Amino acid sequence: GIQVEQSPPDLILQEGANSTLRCNFSDSVNNLQWFHQNPWGQLINLFYIPSGTKQNGRLSATTVATERYSLLYISSSQTTDSGVYFCAVVRGYSSASKIIFGSGTRLSIRP
Amino acid sequence: DTGVSQNPRHKITKRGQNVTFRCDPISEHNRLYWYRQTLGQGPEFLTYFQNEAQLEKSRLLSDRFSAERPKGSFSTLEIQRTEQGDSAMYLCASSSQGQMNTEAFFGQGTRLTVV
Repeated sequence: GIQVEQSPPDLILQEGANSTLRCNFSDSVNNLQWFHQNPWGQLINLFYIPSGTKQNGRLSATTVATERYSLLYISSSQTTDSGVYFCAVVRGYSSASKIIFGSGTRLSIRP
Repeated sequence: DTGVSQNPRHKITKRGQNVTFRCDPISEHNRLYWYRQTLGQGPEFLTYFQNEAQLEKSRLLSDRFSAERPKGSFSTLEIQRTEQGDSAMYLCASSSQGQMNTEAFFGQGTRLTVV
């Protein structure tokens, strides 16, 4: 099956710093999403981005589907950005299309 | 519609007992997914429905696990004869089918502790 790898696994930054999180996937995908998991465990939708670039405030994401990677950018980071960030992909259009997650990047923002 | 709803939020049970979790998807969504997440890991796929049909089951879903979505709306996940290794967060997600798969939304999860 498709493999999803995220890097780095852990990232510690000072408040105000910028960061780039990477997601590589081993095969072509039709969907890609970025999530932030809050301290209570809920997955918060950040971007639905099978291709192209999107921006939402301090966050932006780019997916280059032909090269099988996606990047999540966080600018001017705040302590509330801390948590685990997951990339998740869907392989095909068929009716049986499960969502596959990477192992996540744990981001810690120090005040 | 306030999103995907899961109940209960927390469940503590003794080893050997049966437990059942419920997931109410976003109303217009016909796809429903169950995932399990243990500490420090990403969510692992368990099973997936399109309407009332269960289309795929992971090998993680042993005979003690069963999921249903009887009317294509809410879904239940039952674990029989619980074991300590079943302790985890159980997550439910829903999405709608179009010409392309669409964005999935997750509930708040049910945290199971087996003592």
